[in-house]
Amino acid sequence: AQKVTQAQTEISVVEKEDVTLDCVYETRDTTYYLFWYKQPPSGELVFLIRRNSFDEQNEISGRYSWNFQKSTSSFNFTITASQVVDSAVYFCALSLVETSGSRLTFGEGTQLTVNP
Amino acid sequence: DAGVIQSPRHEVTEMGQEVTLRCKPISGHDYLFWYRQTMMRGLELLIYFNNNVPIDDSGMPEDRFSAKMPNASFSTLKIQPSEPRDSAVYFCASSFGVLPLHFGNGTRLTVT
Repeated sequence: AQKVTQAQTEISVVEKEDVTLDCVYETRDTTYYLFWYKQPPSGELVFLIRRNSFDEQNEISGRYSWNFQKSTSSFNFTITASQVVDSAVYFCALSLVETSGSRLTFGEGTQLTVNP
Repeated sequence: DAGVIQSPRHEVTEMGQEVTLRCKPISGHDYLFWYRQTMMRGLELLIYFNNNVPIDDSGMPEDRFSAKMPNASFSTLKIQPSEPRDSAVYFCASSFGVLPLHFGNGTRLTVT
């Protein structure tokens, strides 16, 4: 069975601070995908990124960056120069490549609050 | 390009009543998923379909829950009879193969 753990339940920062959201996963499979989704106060789930287990290159997209380390089974998410609009619940998730479709196992989520 | 469409957005019903949630996936997607989100259990997979066929319904909590996908553009999740502990946000999501899931806006169900 797969498991995703987001140990940080809530994080509060002041605008312009950098913040890192931690994600640790467990799976016995060697091929899998890792994801981050954002859930703003309006409630929808917004896809942010998908990484393949074979690709450990870090990725940067604007103020967002992701650090994937297989050695520690972690897929952490950093927001640089945070903004109030970044306030949301962020979910890390995993799916197996072998199974059908993008069947996701989600972490518990991290509530990020960015204060002005 | 329309996303996943769920209806209704909000549903308030009394215990014992039948509830039907509806979902229209993105055109061309071959997978459809139903997730439930609660404070206690987070996001949990209830059931998913591939090409309209249910593949895994092991997440469906009880026989009171049933889901159908009569065609590629429509799915329903039915709860009969509903109970207060069914109160949650129910998300429908679709994907093409192993590409990322696209979620609908969810249906917030309140059972009193």
